[in-house]
Amino acid sequence: GNSVTQMEGPVTLSEEAFLTINCTYTATGYPSLFWYVQYPGEGLQLLLKATKADDKGSNKGFEATYRKETTSFHLEKGSVQVSDSAVYFCALTGSGNTGKLIFGQGTTLQVKP
Amino acid sequence: DTEVTQTPKHLVMGMTNKKSLKCEQHMGHRAMYWYKQKAKKPPELMFVYSYEKLSINESVPSRFSPECPNSSLLNLHLHALQPEDSALYLCASSPGQVVGPTNEKLFFGSGTQLSVL
Repeated sequence: GNSVTQMEGPVTLSEEAFLTINCTYTATGYPSLFWYVQYPGEGLQLLLKATKADDKGSNKGFEATYRKETTSFHLEKGSVQVSDSAVYFCALTGSGNTGKLIFGQGTTLQVKP
Repeated sequence: DTEVTQTPKHLVMGMTNKKSLKCEQHMGHRAMYWYKQKAKKPPELMFVYSYEKLSINESVPSRFSPECPNSSLLNLHLHALQPEDSALYLCASSPGQVVGPTNEKLFFGSGTQLSVL
């Protein structure tokens, strides 16, 4: 079945640093790919998504490109803020249109002033 | 209204108690989900309701009993839970069940933090 692997955290950065969180996947067919973010004490929010190869999802300064050749969907931001501190989950749709999302293990980002 | 509202936010229960978690959305979404999330782990799917019918049960123990009284409400009834069931329980909704190919996304509530003593 489909699966996703994220880089282990925690990731600690200074404010205005460049962020990359790696995500790779294995899948049959053509899954859609997502990044969700979970702030402390809250549920998950969709950050961005991409539904086909070479699509770039972007939101709030974050970007990720659907790379079929490397089966990757790395999250990047050019200049992080303290308010970006959260847990980031890479996810993809399960095989067979079952309505499932397969989540990665999550990467904790801490941004220090 | 683009929110999924969950109540209560926190719940402490004994192993012999019966309690219910509630979830409500008024976005007209026809698919609703229960997820369980342990600390520092990703959410794990428990149940999916599509058009008020249970469409996915991820082999969840019978001490968890979902209910969808109408298209806006989703309940999770809890009975005889174990301490290992302590977790954050997240409700989510989407316009339809299929996530991804139709560009739909999940809207999550803030969750109920459950502690079983």
